[in-house]
Amino acid sequence: DQQVKQNSPSLSVQEGRISILNCDYTNSMFDYFLWYKKYPAEGPTFLISISSIKDKNEDGRFTVFLNKSAKHLSLHIVPSQPGDSAVYFCAASATGGTSYGKLTFGQGTILTVHP
Amino acid sequence: DTGVSQDPRHKITKRGQNVTFRCDPISEHNRLYWYRQTLGQGPEFLTYFQNEAQLEKSRLLSDRFSAERPKGSFSTLEIQRTEQGDSAMYLCASSSRGAANNSPLHFGNGTRLTVT
Repeated sequence: DQQVKQNSPSLSVQEGRISILNCDYTNSMFDYFLWYKKYPAEGPTFLISISSIKDKNEDGRFTVFLNKSAKHLSLHIVPSQPGDSAVYFCAASATGGTSYGKLTFGQGTILTVHP
Repeated sequence: DTGVSQDPRHKITKRGQNVTFRCDPISEHNRLYWYRQTLGQGPEFLTYFQNEAQLEKSRLLSDRFSAERPKGSFSTLEIQRTEQGDSAMYLCASSSRGAANNSPLHFGNGTRLTVT
């Protein structure tokens, strides 16, 4: 049962253009969402997060949008840079009860930004 | 803040052998997590510690797996009688519980296990 899904295994974008990575979730208890970036041979690095009380959060070139009714979130990177090339993971957490901050991850999307 | 440290970075072992990995979380982080990642998949939760107490274990954690965090600081993950299916990247993460129960996890660079 894949509770967090990233349906696009890969995405290729030209430098300077917008990258849009998508993520869907099924568990209605999830109320905290994060994006992580991962380079080969390194652990995932936290990028940006959003709480379910918001529908948008911005941090520099990175913006995360949350559509709770559709159980969908997206990460926008503008402008994209070659250094953004990495695997991007969407993750979700149910912050109430006994979740202990445990994250459930999607399968990842490989982003390639071409110069 | 020196980050989450994991040792070793790589481990190659023969099937049937026991292996142990170590994780040093960010100092003063009271929450520690172990995850496993296989090729083409996202990290999967294995177990969670709050201080020295192991509060949750995934059903992925078979009886051959055991984790400890004896003094609430570093943690070890042991796999007994390794199988080829145990080959994966084992990731450790830590976080600090703030006023709100949402805080990003900070991951180490993982231990890559290969069972031959």
